[in-house]
Amino acid sequence: ETGVTQTPRHLVMGMTNKKSLKCEQHLGHNAMYWYKQSAKKPLELMFVYNFKEQTENNSVPSRFSPECPNSSHLFLHLHTLQPEDSALYLCASRRDRDSNQPQHFGDGTRLSIL
Amino acid sequence: DQQVKQNSPSLSVQEGRISILNCDYTNSMFDYFLWYKKYPAEGPTFLISISSIKDKNEDGRFTVFLNKSAKHLSLHIVPSQPGDSAVYFCAARGTDKLIFGTGTRLQVFP
Repeated sequence: ETGVTQTPRHLVMGMTNKKSLKCEQHLGHNAMYWYKQSAKKPLELMFVYNFKEQTENNSVPSRFSPECPNSSHLFLHLHTLQPEDSALYLCASRRDRDSNQPQHFGDGTRLSIL
Repeated sequence: DQQVKQNSPSLSVQEGRISILNCDYTNSMFDYFLWYKKYPAEGPTFLISISSIKDKNEDGRFTVFLNKSAKHLSLHIVPSQPGDSAVYFCAARGTDKLIFGTGTRLQVFP
């Protein structure tokens, strides 16, 4: 039990589809993160939310659209993705953005774009 | 340009011996370093961290060493156990962002 739950665990979609990734944490954390992990590359930070406000967008293409309705939930809405977007998408949370506490990760969503 | 580098993609160690995983960084402004461990089909799990004001932090079988002048940190696991077999990621904090290395796959064999 990681405390950070991501659904679905696996997703296969076509380039014209629209889907959403969901992340939920019950750790009482206020900062939430989306990362992308591609093969043989380091984890890349995509978005940061702190107290439901987006504080970081790491030059992510607009076909990725995050949503944070409350501190416990984070979504990543996907539309018209490209094959190079196939990757593992990891959600993480932390007590707050400025905390020295480590980030807690979910198990990720493995996304494949056909 | 990678600011955090793990130059060894894999490491194989016999059970009971010491495992040493290395990490180099380029940004002297990093103030906090972490090691994460990742099993297949699971997310990274926090292992141990060290602040830039220290040069060593120990937690059970795990010790992290920081050499700021060399911009180098290492994770020592002793004694190594088969359950330690995983991918280990080094991460450095710059402002409020974590910058990750590409990981080192550790295999501990009996």
